[in-house]
Amino acid sequence: DIQMTQSPSTLSASVGDRVTITCRASQSISTWLAWYQQKPGEAPKLLIYKASSLDSGVPSRFSGSGSGTEFTLTISSLQPDDFATYYCQHYNNYPYTFGQGTKLEIK
Amino acid sequence: QVQLQESGPGLVKPSETLSLTCTVSGGSISSYYWNWIRQPPGKGLEWIGYIYRSGSTKYNPSLNSRVTISVDTSKKQFSLKLNSVTAADTAVYYCAGEDCSGGSCYLKYWGQGTLVTVSS
Repeated sequence: DIQMTQSPSTLSASVGDRVTITCRASQSISTWLAWYQQKPGEAPKLLIYKASSLDSGVPSRFSGSGSGTEFTLTISSLQPDDFATYYCQHYNNYPYTFGQGTKLEIK
Repeated sequence: QVQLQESGPGLVKPSETLSLTCTVSGGSISSYYWNWIRQPPGKGLEWIGYIYRSGSTKYNPSLNSRVTISVDTSKKQFSLKLNSVTAADTAVYYCAGEDCSGGSCYLKYWGQGTLVTVSS
């Protein structure tokens, strides 16, 4: 199985900050990577697919980049609604696996 | 807009079979791959498997011997069965629709999730 490792596990930031979350794959996954946002008590919500494609309706302050084994999710200017947990997920092959999550907290 | 709704018992006894159904509305069940994902309380996400309209399936090897996913296209439903459950199977179970059009696949549509507790 491909292991997905996110860093940091927890990130404290303020409204307006620019933040970056990193996801590393244990082997190359090309650009077969998605990012999800999850708020407490809710299902994950797709933000980005194919490493850098923004899902419809997702604010442009979210962006993704990377290929191979290293990927990043960047939020250019944090909004109050962005404080949540973020997961990366590969779909290079089966089984799909997710990163352990990055909890974005208010500083 | 595709909407998904999980249903099934919230409590299952150890060694018994967990059974959940996901009902699809607002879209065609023929258009997507239908997945199950679970999340133990306070933990991360684990992919369980998928089924396509043809009935073809793929399961996570960690659960392969215990899991069965089926589809009823006439009812616009797909189902999960997980047998011989233990406390480790306690989790929120999500159904999700995977869009593989355009050369890329991603879990686009998610149900709200249902908590299943394994306990006697």
